Amino acid sequence: AQKITQTQPGMFVQEKEAVTLDCTYDTSDQSYGLFWYKQPSSGEMIFLIYQGSYDEQNATEGRYSLNFQKARKSANLVISASQLGDSAMYFCAASNAGNMLTFGGGTRLMVKP
Amino acid sequence: NAGVMQNPRHLVRRRGQEARLRCSPMKGHSHVYWYRQLPEEGLKFMVYLQKENIIDESGMPKERFSAEFPKEGPSILRIQQVVRGDSAAYFCASSPPHLRGLYTEAFFGQGTRLTVV
Repeated sequence: AQKITQTQPGMFVQEKEAVTLDCTYDTSDQSYGLFWYKQPSSGEMIFLIYQGSYDEQNATEGRYSLNFQKARKSANLVISASQLGDSAMYFCAASNAGNMLTFGGGTRLMVKP
Repeated sequence: NAGVMQNPRHLVRRRGQEARLRCSPMKGHSHVYWYRQLPEEGLKFMVYLQKENIIDESGMPKERFSAEFPKEGPSILRIQQVVRGDSAAYFCASSPPHLRGLYTEAFFGQGTRLTVV
């Protein structure tokens, strides 16, 4: 079984600044994947970034990077140069061998102009 | 190349009626996953299907809920005799065939928002 914990229910960040969204996970699987999804107010789930448990380098996708610390079981999302359009719910998730995702409770990010 | 298509986007049902939610996976995707999102919560896994097979239904309520993914046509999540607590957003995700141990991105549909009145 997997468990994802996101301890920040809500976060504020000033436009153009960087922000880190926390995620810790607990899994008994040897091999797993870690994901971040964005859910704007319109409700769709938008894939942002993926990190495999055996990947040695942290994943990056444009302004998104995943700070993967395997020993600490953390997979924090870093958003650089925040934009107003980044205001949304952000979900961390882990996958098992069947590709089923376990989600955290989410963090609501609000970008201030 | 259409994405994962879910319909309807919004569904209103009276208590006791049946709800049928449809999901057409992306072209070439043979794996379908259903998730439920209650208000202000994360998504919770319900069921994982491949064509004509239920692979894992550990997240499905034991009663009133069923899912299928026939050889032809969309995957269907069926909720019988709906109650107010079934009101939620139901998301479908699809992924291409994958070997055990390899993780691929699952592409999500836009969800069906079910409201039970």
